[in-house]
Amino acid sequence: GQSLEQPSEVTAVEGAIVQINCTYQTSGFYGLSWYQQHDGGAPTFLSYNALDGLEETGRFSSFLSRSDSYGYLLLQELQMKDSASYFCAVNFNKFYFGSGTKLNVKP
Amino acid sequence: NAGVTQTPKFQVLKTGQSMTLQCAQDMNHNSMYWYRQDPGMGLRLIYYSASEGTTDKGEVPNGYNVSRLNKREFSLRLESAAPSQTSVYFCASVGMSSYNEQFFGPGTRLTVL
Repeated sequence: GQSLEQPSEVTAVEGAIVQINCTYQTSGFYGLSWYQQHDGGAPTFLSYNALDGLEETGRFSSFLSRSDSYGYLLLQELQMKDSASYFCAVNFNKFYFGSGTKLNVKP
Repeated sequence: NAGVTQTPKFQVLKTGQSMTLQCAQDMNHNSMYWYRQDPGMGLRLIYYSASEGTTDKGEVPNGYNVSRLNKREFSLRLESAAPSQTSVYFCASVGMSSYNEQFFGPGTRLTVL
């Protein structure tokens, strides 16, 4: 399989900005995706980077640097409802996921 | 559109029993996937189907079989369930117009005793 490393848990306060990193040891993939999963729910798509650089979707942004084997998800203006697990995944037309980062947003 | 549907939502099996997990999508997607998710972990690909009539192994295919019945349906079969197969199983699909965005079903929570 592919190796994608994420921090296991991150805590931040409401209104703050948080960055979730994803480092990987693979190459030749089409792009890097990010998914959100609330407890007991299914993953839902957040963002995708086919090319290096920043992609912005509302409060969420995602970044990819293939030369550094690194990507991140940036969440701005944190809300309580952002408390969830976040997964990065590489796309080879089949997908490999990281082990996920649990984000705890506190008041 | 219902999106991706999975049945059943919950299932308890005894070791050695068999069962089939059903998945269907109504978005005319070509590619479909089966994943398992163990507590506190990410999703691991079991099998996938890039198009109707084709299936390929993922990371953890042992103990499972799949059938791509038609473009809409992709089933996962456990021939002889083992406690190590206790997990949450998700089906997902991807379309040609947005080939990087997977749409997931609600999951099947399987316990093997």
